[in-house]
Amino acid sequence: QQQVKQSPQSLIVQKGGISIINCAYENTAFDYFPWYQQFPGKGPALLIAIRPDVSEKKEGRFTISFNKSAKQFSLHIMDSQPGDSATYFCAASGNFGNEKLTFGTGTRLTIIP
Amino acid sequence: ETGVTQSPTHLIKTRGQQVTLRCSSQSGHNTVSWYQQALGQGPQFIFQYYREEENGRGNFPPRFSGLQFPNYSSELNVNALELDDSALYLCASSSPPLNTEAFFGQGTRLTVV
Repeated sequence: QQQVKQSPQSLIVQKGGISIINCAYENTAFDYFPWYQQFPGKGPALLIAIRPDVSEKKEGRFTISFNKSAKQFSLHIMDSQPGDSATYFCAASGNFGNEKLTFGTGTRLTIIP
Repeated sequence: ETGVTQSPTHLIKTRGQQVTLRCSSQSGHNTVSWYQQALGQGPQFIFQYYREEENGRGNFPPRFSGLQFPNYSSELNVNALELDDSALYLCASSSPPLNTEAFFGQGTRLTVV
């Protein structure tokens, strides 16, 4: 019940296109859903996060869509750039983010010119 | 770059040995969490320390232990190293309940041979 399932495992998108990564969770106690970006040799860095009281959150080119009834959330990267090439992790936590983070398995995103 | 620093950055140990990894949390953060990230996987929660006390533990054996010091820096100790302990070990600091965002260090790459 603690799992967070992430897809796809890898994704190739042309420059300027939209990158979409999906996650699903089972634990209804989760109430904080962050996305992390990780470059090789670096630790994960928080991109954007959402709480279940809203269905969408946008920050620049990054948007989280959240579907509470389906227990699914997704990351959309608009106008994808080569610098966005990285591994992306969704995560979930309870108690408004005060509990441990449960991570998805990651999506390796490659933006091609 | 976050204010979380980890040392060493790389380490090679022999099976059966013991290792200590160190983490300096971001200024003002009182909570440190440790995660293990195997190659190609998402980070897995090991344990969390809040004000020098263990505050939650993941599914790791007792040979994984930790400490948090009065300045909120932390150590992760692993005894009787096994080959499967080879991974990137990540430290994250936060300051709940007001600020739940977790800032990750760059990690320590541990190789057990």
